[in-house]
Amino acid sequence: QSVLTQPPSASAAPGQKVTISCSGSSSNIGSYYVSWYQQLPRTAPKLLIYENNKRPSGIPDRFSGSKSGASATLGITGLQTGDEAAYYCLTWDSSLSALVFGGGTMLTVL
Amino acid sequence: EVQLVESGGGLVQPGGSLRLSCAASGFTLSSHDMHWVRQAPGKGLEWVSSIDTSGNTYYPASVKGRFTISRENAKNSLYLQINSLRAGDTAVYYCVRVQGNAFDFWGQGTMVIVSS
Repeated sequence: QSVLTQPPSASAAPGQKVTISCSGSSSNIGSYYVSWYQQLPRTAPKLLIYENNKRPSGIPDRFSGSKSGASATLGITGLQTGDEAAYYCLTWDSSLSALVFGGGTMLTVL
Repeated sequence: EVQLVESGGGLVQPGGSLRLSCAASGFTLSSHDMHWVRQAPGKGLEWVSSIDTSGNTYYPASVKGRFTISRENAKNSLYLQINSLRAGDTAVYYCVRVQGNAFDFWGQGTMVIVSS
């Protein structure tokens, strides 16, 4: 069980918006940057959001990130079938002295 | 173009050892912190080791003492030595580059299967 809690699944219709949460504590999300990764089926993960809310070049502004207290959220607007993937949050945990991933959220675009 | 190409995975018996390699191109590996992340079949991502630009190494408690990360600057390559392999080590192992505070580039992964 990860110290970062994500819902196992999420779904929404094409064109709609979805949010994926990542809940932690003061020893991880509450004190450190969060990044988000997209893993399409049978591929390596890809960076979507870094330092809580910044997008690397090439990532469309349909993807956004935010953080409040010990929770972080990934938002995706204008959903496309190509967004069907697993999404993971990542941060440092000072109690564990380890980088920790959330358990992952599988997004289905209905 | 940045590329990370892992190799060295395969089928190994419990108790055995394996050395994974990651060949980097398009950038100087020693100028970045580098990590290994693994993913067991059908499971999530797990960080297993890192090496910073000063050569300091870090591991989670779950693998400390069995995993050793290293790099060879002349070959622009990263390595992961895994000893005393167990079934729970079965996973795809990814080589990952750090830029700022994120894993900005991932290799395609190499599969390790621990089975008798």
